[in-house]
Amino acid sequence: AQSVTQLGSHVSVSEGALVLLRCNYSSSVPPYLFWYVQYPNQGLQLLLKYTSAATLVKGINGFEAEFKKSETSFHLTKPSAHMSDAAEYFCAVSENTDKLIFGTGTRLQVFP
Amino acid sequence: EPEVTQTPSHQVTQMGQEVILRCVPISNHLYFYWYRQILGQKVEFLVSFYNNEISEKSEIFDDQFSVERPDGSNFTLKIRSTKLEDSAMYFCASMPGRWAGNQPQHFGDGTRLSIL
Repeated sequence: AQSVTQLGSHVSVSEGALVLLRCNYSSSVPPYLFWYVQYPNQGLQLLLKYTSAATLVKGINGFEAEFKKSETSFHLTKPSAHMSDAAEYFCAVSENTDKLIFGTGTRLQVFP
Repeated sequence: EPEVTQTPSHQVTQMGQEVILRCVPISNHLYFYWYRQILGQKVEFLVSFYNNEISEKSEIFDDQFSVERPDGSNFTLKIRSTKLEDSAMYFCASMPGRWAGNQPQHFGDGTRLSIL
């Protein structure tokens, strides 16, 4: 069965520092992987998606993620954090259906 | 940019009462979904809906839940007799065409349901 594990429910970084949010997946077939962001009192907004075209995926707001099959990982990174990046980030996977399976989320705090 | 709209943003209901959560998906989208997020927990899939019928539902989506597309624009989630554990944020999502893995779902801002 497909599942997603996000290590670290909270991550804190200084403004300008590297952001690394971890996501590992379990899937019996090549998965489709997504990162969504949720700002306070808002819905889920797609940051980026992996659909097997390229292992390094670039998304909005300077975020990117690399699919590593050998590590079953899809970690989200951003070279330089901005205060506006503070939000909750969800990794999600889907296999042969359109049902999204979400991780538990990682709350990113950015300090000045 | 077109967006998924959910109303109300916050619904407070007495336990045992029926509640209807409303969603207006993006106009040319064909696939519709409900997810929920209990406070502090992960977002969970409830149901998917296409061509006026349920495509898939989770074990959470029991007989107390139903979905409907009563007209060409609205998509509703009804909970027949609410329980305390139904308190959660409910998200509606839609997708334009047949799932091919590369189409993301577009989410609304959610309805926070509080059961007293």
